[in-house]
Amino acid sequence: NAGVTQTPKFQVLKTGQSMTLQCAQDMNHEYMSWYRQDPGMGLRLIHYSVGAGITDQGEVPNGYNVSRSTTEDFPLRLLSAAPSQTSVYFCASSYSSTFQVSGNTIYFGEGSWLTVV
Amino acid sequence: DAKTTQPTSMDCAEGRAANLPCNHSTISGNEYVYWYRQIHSQGPQYIIHGLKNNETNEMASLIITEDRKSSTLILPHATLRDTAVYYCIVRVEGGAQKLVFGQGTRLTINP
Repeated sequence: NAGVTQTPKFQVLKTGQSMTLQCAQDMNHEYMSWYRQDPGMGLRLIHYSVGAGITDQGEVPNGYNVSRSTTEDFPLRLLSAAPSQTSVYFCASSYSSTFQVSGNTIYFGEGSWLTVV
Repeated sequence: DAKTTQPTSMDCAEGRAANLPCNHSTISGNEYVYWYRQIHSQGPQYIIHGLKNNETNEMASLIITEDRKSSTLILPHATLRDTAVYYCIVRVEGGAQKLVFGQGTRLTINP
């Protein structure tokens, strides 16, 4: 049981390049999401998914695309990278898409450090 | 979800109890208080949650005031490994499973 796995851990991009951050979970979780964290700041929600085939925007969706073709995977795509997207990206998952008090903790991956130059 | 207010930073001596306050004066009756922490840019880690009663688990205790407008997370015997940013989050049961993080409290445990 690997939990939430993110790849790559570190990436440097040139402005205008595209790339995909991968996220996979092996816990059969319904809900998955992507956050970004800028230096000294809290996490901000980019996109989330409540199940395979269903995605929606969070607080800061511009410049990012997502898809959810399987329960396990939730990739985050940067179509044309900009220096403002330099950040640490966290993928998260939980059993249910609605907040339930019992047994529905959100699990986070280890983070992906992205630098856009 | 209600807004929370936390001090920017706190210090605590190793072995002492660390008490982290959180103000959530606009909390609704059906909103829970959750605490997460983030150690040195790792992914956030769940600590504890509560509605109106005090709660305790193997990591911490949560004290919620009777009017529920504030709470305190207590780490009873802080260690150097507890140095982290601690986030207080208010959640409504049945709402969308989204966490809204503020800036949190940067807790430093000193030897």
